[in-house]
Amino acid sequence: KAGVTQTPRYLIKTRGQQVTLSCSPISGHRSVSWYQQTPGQGLQFLFEYFSETQRNKGNFPGRFSGRQFSNSRSEMNVSTLELGDSALYLCASSLELDEQYFGPGTRLTVT
Amino acid sequence: QKEVEQNSGPLSVPEGAIASLNCTYSDRGSQSFFWYRQYSGKSPELIMFIYSNGDKEDGRFTAQLNKASQYVSLLIRDSQPSDSATYLCAAYGQNFVFGPGTRLSVLP
Repeated sequence: KAGVTQTPRYLIKTRGQQVTLSCSPISGHRSVSWYQQTPGQGLQFLFEYFSETQRNKGNFPGRFSGRQFSNSRSEMNVSTLELGDSALYLCASSLELDEQYFGPGTRLTVT
Repeated sequence: QKEVEQNSGPLSVPEGAIASLNCTYSDRGSQSFFWYRQYSGKSPELIMFIYSNGDKEDGRFTAQLNKASQYVSLLIRDSQPSDSATYLCAAYGQNFVFGPGTRLSVLP
């Protein structure tokens, strides 16, 4: 069974731009969560989608948004990028709302 | 603020020894607990999960949960240099809350 895939793997953007990251969960998994990981803050929860509905949201500004499609694929969008948004963005999928499996991540660098 | 705390380490143990990693959590509503291993430059990998008080063993790994003390631990027996990584503890209630991770170094 294929694992969680994320695209792109690496991305360089300029301050003020926006970015869209994509995540394809493990086949059959309906829950997709997004995390931001930085050396200083560790792994922080962004939001979780289950069957196309946002179930939970972390403490991030409204510039961070996401959505989930009917095939469970998910996208997250960050608008008006700031230097502090440079991070590893991880997507995790689960069959139910536990036992998450992480994708390889997207390394975003904002210059 | 729901928190998960871990000693950041580094925790150094000799090869073949038992490594003991500890974690405490603040949200009594947390129902399940997870240990992830993260190698440098890689994404977290699920090692163990535990829901009930007591011990759960899987190969060289044993997870221990004490809900009354809000304490979770991971024991790694016969530690190998390949176990050197950062270990993340996570608690799940309404969503996942991760600890900062403990860096483990197994010395040959």
